[in-house]
Amino acid sequence: KAGVTQTPRYLIKTRGQQVTLSCSPISGHRSVSWYQQTPGQGLQFLFEYFSETQRNKGNFPGRFSGRQFSNSRSEMNVSTLELGDSALYLCASSLEGTPSTDTQYFGPGTRLTVL
Amino acid sequence: AQRVTQPEKLLSVFKGAPVELKCNYSYSGSPELFWYVQYSRQRLQLLLRHISRESIKGFTADLNKGETSFHLKKPFAQEEDSAMYYCALSGEGGSEKLVFGKGTKLTVNP
Repeated sequence: KAGVTQTPRYLIKTRGQQVTLSCSPISGHRSVSWYQQTPGQGLQFLFEYFSETQRNKGNFPGRFSGRQFSNSRSEMNVSTLELGDSALYLCASSLEGTPSTDTQYFGPGTRLTVL
Repeated sequence: AQRVTQPEKLLSVFKGAPVELKCNYSYSGSPELFWYVQYSRQRLQLLLRHISRESIKGFTADLNKGETSFHLKKPFAQEEDSAMYYCALSGEGGSEKLVFGKGTKLTVNP
């Protein structure tokens, strides 16, 4: 079974631009979560999508948004990029999105650098 | 507010020595606790979850609600245990939202 894939793996943008990151979950997984990882703040939850609906949301500004398609693939978008958005963005997928019974499988991440 | 604290950024032990990675949490309800591990150049992966009460790769972790702790232990560390370890918490109801600690980098020296 193929693992979680994320594209692109590396991205360089300038302040003010917008960016779209993509995540393809493991086949059959319906839950996709996004995390931001930075040296200062560590891993922080952005949002979770399940069956095309945002089910949970972290404490990030509205510039961060996402969506999920009918095939469970997910995209996240960051508008009006700021220097502080430079981070590793991780995507994770699971069957039903229940940590006590499901296992979240993480992708390799997209490294975003904002100049 | 949910919070996970891993007090040690770095932990270094010798092969064969016991190892304990500390994790304390703050949560008003009954949390679900997890340990995730990231080996060098590999993806973040689940090591164990408290609800399973399992031992994985010789590691165990006991949830102590009185001390709000979920320390990860292994009696005899191996060099291949060297990795970044993250403690994580999920709230009641099985929310997929995981709150992670900042991680402890474990180095097992030969």
